[in-house]
Amino acid sequence: KAGVTQTPRYLIKTRGQQVTLSCSPISGHRSVSWYQQTPGQGLQFLFEYFSETQRNKGNFPGRFSGRQFSNSRSEMNVSTLELGDSALYLCASSLGHRNTEAFFGQGTRLTVV
Amino acid sequence: DQQVKQNSPSLSVQEGRISILNCDYTNSMFDYFLWYKKYPAEGPTFLISISSIKDKNEDGRFTVFLNKSAKHLSLHIVPSQPGDSAVYFCAAQPNNYGQNFVFGPGTRLSVLP
Repeated sequence: KAGVTQTPRYLIKTRGQQVTLSCSPISGHRSVSWYQQTPGQGLQFLFEYFSETQRNKGNFPGRFSGRQFSNSRSEMNVSTLELGDSALYLCASSLGHRNTEAFFGQGTRLTVV
Repeated sequence: DQQVKQNSPSLSVQEGRISILNCDYTNSMFDYFLWYKKYPAEGPTFLISISSIKDKNEDGRFTVFLNKSAKHLSLHIVPSQPGDSAVYFCAAQPNNYGQNFVFGPGTRLSVLP
């Protein structure tokens, strides 16, 4: 069974640009969550999608957005990139969205210059 | 305000001995807890979880203990192996409706041969 796949693995963008990251969950998983990992803040929850609906949102500005498609694949978008957005962005998928473990992809390393 | 704390940034253990990683939480709304292992440049790997209705869960070499009154959980690894060397994250899920985990800052475990 294939794991969570995130593309691209690495990305370099310039301040002010926008970026879209993609996540394909484990087959059959309907919940997709996104996390940001930075050395200073650790792993922080961005948002969760379940059945194409955003169920939860973390404490991030509106420049961070996402969506989920009918096949459960998800994308997250960051507009007007700032240097502080440089981070490892992780996607996790779960069967349901209560009391179930989440399985993470390898992440997308975003560098903003 | 850190809701999930891992007060030991690092831990070194001899191969074959027991590793004990600790985690404290402050939010009594958390009702599901997980441990993840992470290698550099990879996504976290799920290890073991525990629901707040239990006080112990075991899976092979890994056992998680939960003390709800103390708001404390611990992960025991017996016997420790060099391949266990990684950063270990404790995560907690609030009892709302969603997969929004709150992660601790992590503990770097080094298992010495």
